[in-house]
Amino acid sequence: RKEVEQDPGPFNVPEGATVAFNCTYSNSASQSFFWYRQDCRKEPKLLMSVYSSGNEDGRFTAQLNRASQYISLLIRDSKLSDSATYLCVVNIHKLIFGQGTTLQVKP
Amino acid sequence: DTAVSQTPKYLVTQMGNDKSIKCEQNLGHDTMYWYKQDSKKFLKIMFSYNNKELIINETVPNRFSPKSPDKAHLNLHINSLELGDSAVYFCASSQGQYENIQYFGAGTRLSVL
Repeated sequence: RKEVEQDPGPFNVPEGATVAFNCTYSNSASQSFFWYRQDCRKEPKLLMSVYSSGNEDGRFTAQLNRASQYISLLIRDSKLSDSATYLCVVNIHKLIFGQGTTLQVKP
Repeated sequence: DTAVSQTPKYLVTQMGNDKSIKCEQNLGHDTMYWYKQDSKKFLKIMFSYNNKELIINETVPNRFSPKSPDKAHLNLHINSLELGDSAVYFCASSQGQYENIQYFGAGTRLSVL
């Protein structure tokens, strides 16, 4: 079983749509959690940290469920510029990256 | 000003050759990393150095040898290149070894022919 699992997609959505990505992790000792964004042929960049209480940054909402070992990212009112691969990341003394979920927002 | 810069951006070489990739960060960070992203897009850590000291050494063939002359630089030397080494190699840095937020370089696309 992979340490961090994501549905690779692609998710094709129209502008303005709400889209949700899910991620599961296998190691219950995982300490911290993140979503990174990677544009095509570019480096990963931190999008946001994920907390058990849930956290929001503009149109982006991240949620962590430690009991289920499940992380989610919700994007509201999708923009064309949101098209990218979203990487679920878990910290167990080092960063473990999921394969990424590709989002394509269409006009 | 690029925070984490790595060179070269592209590297095309023949099997069996030896090549190096250089990385420099101007963020004043203590910890630097090398990651490999394969064709299936999995990004995996290879090495990590904290203040020039090796702290993470994943199961990587010993043909890969990192070198950190100072805490702002972490280079990667690869001996006897193989076809399976073709990938994108990313350098990254963070404030400290327990700091979660990492800043990545633009990547080096290595193609072994």
